[in-house]
Amino acid sequence: GAVVSQHPSWVICKSGTSVKIECRSLDFQATTMFWYRQFPKQSLMLMATSNEGSKATYEQGVEKDKFLINHASLTLSTLTVTSAHPEDSSFYICSAPRRESTNEKLFFGSGTQLSVL
Amino acid sequence: EDQVTQSPEALRLQEGESSSLNCSYTVSGLRGLFWYRQDPGKGPEFLFTLYSAGEEKEKERLKATLTKKESFLHITAPKPEDSATYLCAVQQWGSGNTGKLIFGQGTTLQVKP
Repeated sequence: GAVVSQHPSWVICKSGTSVKIECRSLDFQATTMFWYRQFPKQSLMLMATSNEGSKATYEQGVEKDKFLINHASLTLSTLTVTSAHPEDSSFYICSAPRRESTNEKLFFGSGTQLSVL
Repeated sequence: EDQVTQSPEALRLQEGESSSLNCSYTVSGLRGLFWYRQDPGKGPEFLFTLYSAGEEKEKERLKATLTKKESFLHITAPKPEDSATYLCAVQQWGSGNTGKLIFGQGTTLQVKP
């Protein structure tokens, strides 16, 4: 079954509105979660690292005031796209690492398709 | 520049026709190489992690291998349900966390019955 849950699966919004996407780790705690963005037929690009109890770390070129990240608990991280515009339309995917035996695996949510009109 | 390149971009196979997908990487200090499967409109599904040259891992019809410069995902006697995009990603030493992966563009595999 799913290890990481992401909601909503898709959202359509008007330009200028804000959209919140939730990412939850199921049955394990994740002090760190990651947000990726994927444009059609392109690879996943890391946007930011969400840290429980502290500020998120953003990758170069990602506007932190536009993509607000909150990691309020050990199982929940949220990404809010503020004042969304059509160019923000993309597939957003969260992920969380889970330690299994001696290795750590990165599990992904099912993704959120955002369409801004 | 650190880079991950996958080839081919797209691959069409007949059911039962075995083939290989390639992932070439140029990164400083490879910590791990990951293979994922992604279905349309879905998040990536973990397949394998490889850590050192010479390592091999298998799962059903899939087998992943690793050298110092590339990884192969071998698909033996594929079935239509193997149709998906296969993503390769690398993690570097010193990247700070497991999630900071560099992804390739993916290979979209279509298996026809």
